[in-house]
Amino acid sequence: SQQGEEDPQALSIQEGENATMNCSYKTSINNLQWYRQNSGRGLVHLILIRSNEREKHSGRLRVTLDTSKKSSSLLITASRAADTASYFCAASGGTSYGKLTFGQGTILTVHP
Amino acid sequence: ETGVTQSPTHLIKTRGQQVTLRCSSQSGHNTVSWYQQALGQGPQFIFQYYREEENGRGNFPPRFSGLQFPNYSSELNVNALELDDSALYLCASSRQGGDGYTFGSGTRLTVV
Repeated sequence: SQQGEEDPQALSIQEGENATMNCSYKTSINNLQWYRQNSGRGLVHLILIRSNEREKHSGRLRVTLDTSKKSSSLLITASRAADTASYFCAASGGTSYGKLTFGQGTILTVHP
Repeated sequence: ETGVTQSPTHLIKTRGQQVTLRCSSQSGHNTVSWYQQALGQGPQFIFQYYREEENGRGNFPPRFSGLQFPNYSSELNVNALELDDSALYLCASSRQGGDGYTFGSGTRLTVV
């Protein structure tokens, strides 16, 4: 079964707008990671946030983590058509060392 | 630095047959994990190999088995294929104790 739930399942926006995706997880974690997947191909690592961090930035990406609520969010600012993809959060750690537990994913469509 | 390479990219098998998927890990990585991703779902952890031994397994039956070789490359074997085994199979390599995972592009398996 999936550890995480992602919200929304699908998001459709215009180029230049911001996109926010949310993720919840169930057990304790060492870190939470976000991945991107284009057209059912391999996963590309975007950003990792550790359990003792609350916010992290990388380029146009901003990730927050609230361990008390067991939730995370990914914000993509000034989105581009090339950002169109599926985005997954993955929880790492707790009792499942070495295993990533993925959410269901959010399908993001950015219209030019 | 080479990435993770998976072969073949696509495969069609008949129910009841056996299949072997291959993965070469990224240079410097000594751990390999395998994931199954059904259409429209997030990846599910199958198992992980370190030092040629399985050191973590998800909720998959024994007909899913694997190997890791001294050069850290890996194989995933699935016996007695079922229609529900149709999925994208992803391999990820990492350093034991590290946080970063590099995924391959996957093998798309179709069981008919």
